Amino acid sequence: GENVEQHPSTLSVQEGDSAVIKCTYSDSASNYFPWYKQELGKGPQLIIDIRSNVGEKKDQRIAVTLNKTAKHFSLHITETQPEDSAVYFCAASPGTYKYIFGTGTRLKVLA
Amino acid sequence: GAGVSQSPSNKVTEKGKDVELRCDPISGHTALYWYRQRLGQGLEFLIYFQGNSAPDKSGLPSDRFSAERTGGSVSTLTIQRTQQEDSAVYLCASSLRQGQNEQFFGPGTRLTVL
Repeated sequence: GENVEQHPSTLSVQEGDSAVIKCTYSDSASNYFPWYKQELGKGPQLIIDIRSNVGEKKDQRIAVTLNKTAKHFSLHITETQPEDSAVYFCAASPGTYKYIFGTGTRLKVLA
Repeated sequence: GAGVSQSPSNKVTEKGKDVELRCDPISGHTALYWYRQRLGQGLEFLIYFQGNSAPDKSGLPSDRFSAERTGGSVSTLTIQRTQQEDSAVYLCASSLRQGQNEQFFGPGTRLTVL
């Protein structure tokens, strides 16, 4: 069945450094790739998304890249701040309402 | 405006009991999802409602799980004869319409089955 692998499961970076989270999907029909941030005790919140007709998208300190050939997509956070500490989830959607989520990355930004 | 709300925020129950979890989606959102999030795991799709269409129940793990959505708004997820492996956070999300649109999540209900 459809599967999304996410790495690493935990990531610690110094404040100001960059963080990169990578995902791989299995369903070649996937054409929409959102990223969600989940803070402690809250539901996930969309932070950025990318569609398959685009290779890269940026929004201030966050960017997402997509390699459709390799079925990889990545989240890049630059100049990390303590408030970036959270669990991040990638997801892939094959053109329907269904999202297949990765298992999450716990990011800790050390002050 | 108000976001997605869920109640209760925490529920502790004994094995074998039934539980009901409630979700109030954002007003006007026609699509509603339930997910299960086990400790340290990703979000596992359970069920999807879209307007008056028949729901997609393909993610429900057993016939002990059921959900309904009354009047196209509030939804309840019912787990009968709870088991310890049902312990998880149950998340509800709504989106404006069908398709690849932003899902707005509630804070979840943490269910603990003793």
